[in-house]
Parts: sequence; structure tokens; C-alpha cells
Amino acid sequence: GAVVSQHPSRVICKSGTSVKIECRSLDFQATTMFWYRQFPKKSLMLMATSNEGSKATYEQGVEKDKFLINHASLTLSTLTVTSAHPEDSSFYICSAPLAAQETQYFGPGTRLLVL
Amino acid sequence: KQEVTQIPAALSVPEGENLVLNCSFTDSAIYNLQWFRQDPGKGLTSLLLIQSSQREQTSGRLNASLDKSSGRSTLYIAASQPGDSATYLCAVSFNKFYFGSGTKLNVKP
Repeated sequence: GAVVSQHPSRVICKSGTSVKIECRSLDFQATTMFWYRQFPKKSLMLMATSNEGSKATYEQGVEKDKFLINHASLTLSTLTVTSAHPEDSSFYICSAPLAAQETQYFGPGTRLLVL
Repeated sequence: KQEVTQIPAALSVPEGENLVLNCSFTDSAIYNLQWFRQDPGKGLTSLLLIQSSQREQTSGRLNASLDKSSGRSTLYIAASQPGDSATYLCAVSFNKFYFGSGTKLNVKP
């Protein structure tokens, strides 16, 4: 099956620094990728849709200047948490569909802890 | 806005039982519905995908049904095993994915 990877799997950073998370589709091309955030014991919340060749589409309430998304190629999307604060600590997961309206394949997630 | 609800929030059963997890959604305009499994601190594993034109899908001991008109889906797990213990999430797709809050399953040996 299709594989989506994320890097890093875990990151600890100081408040005020920026953190970049990578999402890669390893064996297929993805013109669209999705970024989610998951709080402890809660479900996934869609943050934004990453579009190759155009700007990301952010969900209501998600600060686009805080969470920068760049879809650099057909296999790579990055999420940068700028000027991270402790409340940004969370589990971030990306996904990519093989094709429109098809199965979503999820990355293993990145756990961010901001001290 | 699409809202997805999963009942029950938690379920604890002895090994060997057959069980049903429920998922409901408010907007029947969907492309598909997908069931996932999430182990603690891990990402998501896709279990079953049901297209909007389909009524059910089966994989091994798992069977998922979809009634789009009533906005409901069920995940049936036959002969549950301790290894089935995880959180099960359903998600509906229509351009975007909307997730339910999950059912945390514990299968006791």
C-alpha cells in the first residue's frame, strides 16, 4: 500500500523557536495533502489543505501566519510552526490521498512539545 | 458544517465477543467513509473504505456498513481479540475529511 512518512517523529523545542515538520509521500505523487492536529484523547482536527503549486487552504480558526504550509513538490509538504508556544504542543499528522475521493494514507505523526 | 459522532466513546469487552461501533454524520453528501485504527501515541491505520455508492465492505473479521441516507455507519468486529484494543475513528470525506471523536476499545483477555 501507499506510504506516507513524517519527519521528525518527535521534537522538543523552546518557546519562541520555529519548528518544521515534513510530510512525504514515498511511492506516489500527491497534489493535495492534509494537515491535522490532535489534542490528547481528542479526535483529529483538520488544520489546512496543502496544494501543490498554490497556496494552502486553512480551516476556520487556524492562523495561517502561525502555521506556514509549503507544498514544495508532488511528494513533499511542510508545516512550520512559527514562534512556537507551549499551547502549540500537540500531535500533528499529515495525510495524502492516492487520488481524489480515494483512501487517505496517513503519516505516523509528529509529537511536538514546546517548553 | 459536517459533524461526525461516534458512540460509544469507550467500550470494554471480554475476548471473543462480537461488537459494533457506531458512527453518524449530519450531511449525507459524502464521497466516502473510512474507518481507522489508532494505537496510543501512533498515527492512523486505514481499516476499511466505503465509497458513497457502496453499502458495505469486509476485511477479515471486520465489516463496515454504510447507510448514507440516514447518515450512519457501523463497524462490526467479530470474535474480538486483545490485539484489537485501540481507538477506532470514522471519517467522512467530501473534499475534506471530518473525523469523529473515536471509540476507545479495550478487549480483555
